[in-house]
Amino acid sequence: QVTLKESGPVLVKPTETLTLTCTVSGFSLNNPRMGVSWIRQPPGKALEWLALIFSTDEKSYSPSLKSRLTISKDTSKSQVVLTMTNMDPVDTATYYCARVVDLRWFDSWGQGTLVTVSS
Amino acid sequence: EIVMTQSPATLSVSPGERVALSCRASQSIRSDLAWYQQKPGQAPRLLIYAASTRATGIPARFSGSGSGTEFTLTISSLQSEDFAVYYCQQYNNWPPYIFGQGTKLEIK
Repeated sequence: QVTLKESGPVLVKPTETLTLTCTVSGFSLNNPRMGVSWIRQPPGKALEWLALIFSTDEKSYSPSLKSRLTISKDTSKSQVVLTMTNMDPVDTATYYCARVVDLRWFDSWGQGTLVTVSS
Repeated sequence: EIVMTQSPATLSVSPGERVALSCRASQSIRSDLAWYQQKPGQAPRLLIYAASTRATGIPARFSGSGSGTEFTLTISSLQSEDFAVYYCQQYNNWPPYIFGQGTKLEIK
């Protein structure tokens, strides 16, 4: 059974750096067909893709947020970490990690974690 | 950057009805499209990929069609558990992966 679970702070202050961890099970981060993405959703709004890391360690970022994002993985811990710098209240959202198949669709999602940016 | 446009934003329908949700791409994405269902307080769930292939465990009442720039998700007979928000997502030209703005199915 494939599972993904996000963890991290529920509240961050403006200008701080957010660090989120996605812990996966049921598949290996070395699986040649699989990767992990981060996707966010502001309250009441649509989904926004943020970043991807693939089995080869290939990384990709949303062009609009690239300067603020870093994605990495620790295969031995089955974890993918996303950092986002210079947080702003507009970054308040539920952050999801999701498994990506063949760099195409997202077939399994974590439950999401709501991050609020406020002083 | 490709723009994905879903219509309508909200659709009021009755259980048992057949419904078609539209997704349009600003340029051809071949059949590189997925559909997701999201219920309140839950993560999205993959329904369809490659425009018309149902994901594992998805009921046959869900079907996808289209290619190029025009796509449709059809639910043949709405069940109570189908009232949710539906998103399309293109993966033809990335980054970024782009989602549509969603169509909310509500009970009439």
